[in-house]
Amino acid sequence: DAGITQSPRHKVTETGTPVTLRCHQTENHRYMYWYRQDPGHGLRLIHYSYGVKDTDKGEVSDGYSVSRSKTEDFLLTLESATSSQTSVYFCAISKTGNQPQHFGDGTRLSIL
Amino acid sequence: TQLLEQSPQFLSIQEGENLTVYCNSSSVFSSLQWYRQEPGEGPVLLVTVVTGGEVKKLKRLTFQFGDARKDSSLHITAAQPGDTGLYLCAGPRAGGTSYGKLTFGQGTILTVHP
Repeated sequence: DAGITQSPRHKVTETGTPVTLRCHQTENHRYMYWYRQDPGHGLRLIHYSYGVKDTDKGEVSDGYSVSRSKTEDFLLTLESATSSQTSVYFCAISKTGNQPQHFGDGTRLSIL
Repeated sequence: TQLLEQSPQFLSIQEGENLTVYCNSSSVFSSLQWYRQEPGEGPVLLVTVVTGGEVKKLKRLTFQFGDARKDSSLHITAAQPGDTGLYLCAGPRAGGTSYGKLTFGQGTILTVHP
């Protein structure tokens, strides 16, 4: 299995609070991705990174920011969480943009 | 916008039955991937189909890529309870440097009863 660790695995927080999710990889892969998974929507890309300090928006980036200060860590931040951001969040990594992605086990985030 | 439509969304069958899951689009994809996801885990890649008309087999699973590269199907023969899970198709977004960005279908939840 690809070495991907997401933390925390579960989190419950209140509307308006900041939340940071962490994705840590031990594979030294260049590409990292954050997705959210909601019933009936499959997975939707939030942000992605193609190298240290190189990030860009995905299809559902509003309300989210990311940072990648080193190869192994990709952080997803909800500056002011809203109930619509309740979801399961998955991190994925890929050696190159053309190779398959390997996924972490997800973070279940509930915003009350 | 490239969309992938999966059908059916839910499938509940008895052990030993055959089934087919479809993944359709109005757009051409350079390749399509199929993933399987179990509760509490992330998706795991099953196969990538690249060539129009391509057929790939993985034990009892048969994957086909349409000739026009706009659709794909997953056929399971003699389904077993261990096949239960969420099946997702995904394809790389077109245009410029894709950076590996994927579009996913909504998923098909398969339940195989003993």
